[in-house]
Amino acid sequence: AQSVTQLDSHVSVSEGTPVLLRCNYSSSYSPSLFWYVQHPNKGLQLLLKYTSAATLVKGINGFEAEFKKSETSFHLTKPSAHMSDAAEYFCVVLLYGQNFVFGPGTRLSVLP
Amino acid sequence: SAVISQKPSRDICQRGTSLTIQCQVDSQVTMMFWYRQQPGQSLTLIATANQGSEATYESGFVIDKFPISRPNLTFSTLTVSNMSPEDSSIYLCSVEVQDYEQYFGPGTRLTVT
Repeated sequence: AQSVTQLDSHVSVSEGTPVLLRCNYSSSYSPSLFWYVQHPNKGLQLLLKYTSAATLVKGINGFEAEFKKSETSFHLTKPSAHMSDAAEYFCVVLLYGQNFVFGPGTRLSVLP
Repeated sequence: SAVISQKPSRDICQRGTSLTIQCQVDSQVTMMFWYRQQPGQSLTLIATANQGSEATYESGFVIDKFPISRPNLTFSTLTVSNMSPEDSSIYLCSVEVQDYEQYFGPGTRLTVT
């Protein structure tokens, strides 16, 4: 069975400082991995995805994530946080032929 | 990408009643999905709805409680039947577009009193 762990339920950073949101997955096979963002009272938006191409994936709004098979990780980073980045972030794993499995989510707060 | 709309955006219903949620997408898609997001929680897949076949339900969800229709490639409905307060959640539909990407509707916020 596949599962997704997001190690931090809440991350708080100051505006202009780096962001790191951690995600680990368990899978016997190489998965496809996604990060989605959910702003308050808004729908889910796809930030980026990994589907067995380049291990460093660049997404929208300056976010990127690196797939590390040896560590079964897919951490999300951004060099400099902006106030508008405050939201809930979900790591999602997908095995071929199966369905999306969402992680529990990490709430990102950005302090002025 | 795809633009997805849901109706209603929110509703307050009495226990024992049923609510049908509509999902409309602006292009033809094969696979549509229904998710539930309970308060303060992550998303859980309810079922996969492919046009022309019966919906496939995940463990813990049954057709009698969550009947789904998929009459064509741009539309689907989810009914929440015989509601109880535990059904209070946000219900979201999504579509698979390409390379396994899913795009989500804005959600329907349901409160059961």
